[in-house]
Amino acid sequence: IAGITQAPTSQILAAGRRMTLRCTQDMRHNAMYWYRQDLGLGLRLIHYSNTAGTTGKGEVPDGYSVSRANTDDFPLTLASAVPSQTSVYFCASSVTGGSSPLHFGNGTRLTVT
Amino acid sequence: DQQVKQNSPSLSVQEGRISILNCDYTNSMFDYFLWYKKYPAEGPTFLISISSIKDKNEDGRFTVFLNKSAKHLSLHIVPSQPGDSAVYFCAASQSLGDMRFGAGTRLTVKP
Repeated sequence: IAGITQAPTSQILAAGRRMTLRCTQDMRHNAMYWYRQDLGLGLRLIHYSNTAGTTGKGEVPDGYSVSRANTDDFPLTLASAVPSQTSVYFCASSVTGGSSPLHFGNGTRLTVT
Repeated sequence: DQQVKQNSPSLSVQEGRISILNCDYTNSMFDYFLWYKKYPAEGPTFLISISSIKDKNEDGRFTVFLNKSAKHLSLHIVPSQPGDSAVYFCAASQSLGDMRFGAGTRLTVKP
């Protein structure tokens, strides 16, 4: 089934540890995104990539990094996790970026203790 | 700085009646607006959209209205069904910009 696969589904992580959230899409979409969902704040953009080889910062990029080595994969790395990064993380893709609708994965629930 | 606001965290309606979900935005450069629906333990899914050159877009039971002068849009669901119970997110974007989301409204449709 075509779509976005995120891994892991959930994770408990000690503060200070490094963590990479994985995201793979098989729709050959050019643009990919990482959002975090927090109660009362909705979905906030962390980083994005309009095409393979390029990345950009969103609303809340601090403490996170991304890479886009190829079209399909867009991993999100927390170099040194802090409790405020406890959230549900969604990866998304779209055909062209901008106003084209986003396709979301099912999310990774991350708890930093 | 929340550029897209959904001021009602929750809404409850009776099956068969109309559901109206509201959204306000502050950035006049937004030119495309979307609604997403989210069930628990799943990612949001695209529902309906509207371009800023229109004031209404309809798709089956779902209609989105845009009032640019008021920087306001709304989603109407008629008739509401229990399967419509979900969290609805309003989103806005510029043609070459990223997409901003509201905080969401939890809709409950009672049988």
